[in-house]
Amino acid sequence: DTAVSQTPKYLVTQMGNDKSIKCEQNLGHDTMYWYKQDSKKFLKIMFSYNNKELIINETVPNRFSPKSPDKAHLNLHINSLELGDSAVYFCASSQPGTGTEAFFGQGTRLTVV
Amino acid sequence: DQQVKQNSPSLSVQEGRISILNCDYTNSMFDYFLWYKKYPAEGPTFLISISSIKDKNEDGRFTVFLNKSAKHLSLHIVPSQPGDSAVYFCAASTTGNQFYFGTGTSLTVIP
Repeated sequence: DTAVSQTPKYLVTQMGNDKSIKCEQNLGHDTMYWYKQDSKKFLKIMFSYNNKELIINETVPNRFSPKSPDKAHLNLHINSLELGDSAVYFCASSQPGTGTEAFFGQGTRLTVV
Repeated sequence: DQQVKQNSPSLSVQEGRISILNCDYTNSMFDYFLWYKKYPAEGPTFLISISSIKDKNEDGRFTVFLNKSAKHLSLHIVPSQPGDSAVYFCAASTTGNQFYFGTGTSLTVIP
């Protein structure tokens, strides 16, 4: 019974296409995140949602649009994909407050060709 | 601007010896620090954490040390086992609302 699950695990697509990555958590957490791990292996936060509301939006191109239909889901839609978007994208969730950890999904490896 | 740094991209250790992974941070507002372990093609999994009010936390073979004045933390694994071979990420947070990660250290434990 996976705590944080994201689909698909692998995604290969052409430049200019629009794609979505889905994420669901069954931990009852209020906060969900999207992280990007690029070729330099740096795990960089992209977005953070608390109870369906956007609370953090790092400097991410507006081609990336997160959607949270409910607090258990945070999907990532990417428009007009570019070669530089190739990376591994991780969804995570946590419960707000000091002394908590984030739980991660297995990652989605996006390859733009 | 990277607020959490792991300056050693890789580390090799003999089985049974101690592994020491280091991490530095710049933001003095961080109040919670975590270590994650990551295997290939999997997401990071939580390993151990420490609050800023402590300087040491131990869990079995894993101990995390925090030196707030130096803005430095380290993870000690003793004894190291081949199954510990993975990438280790250091992370820091403020009030648990955002987690900042380092670039990871790839640990190889040689049998």
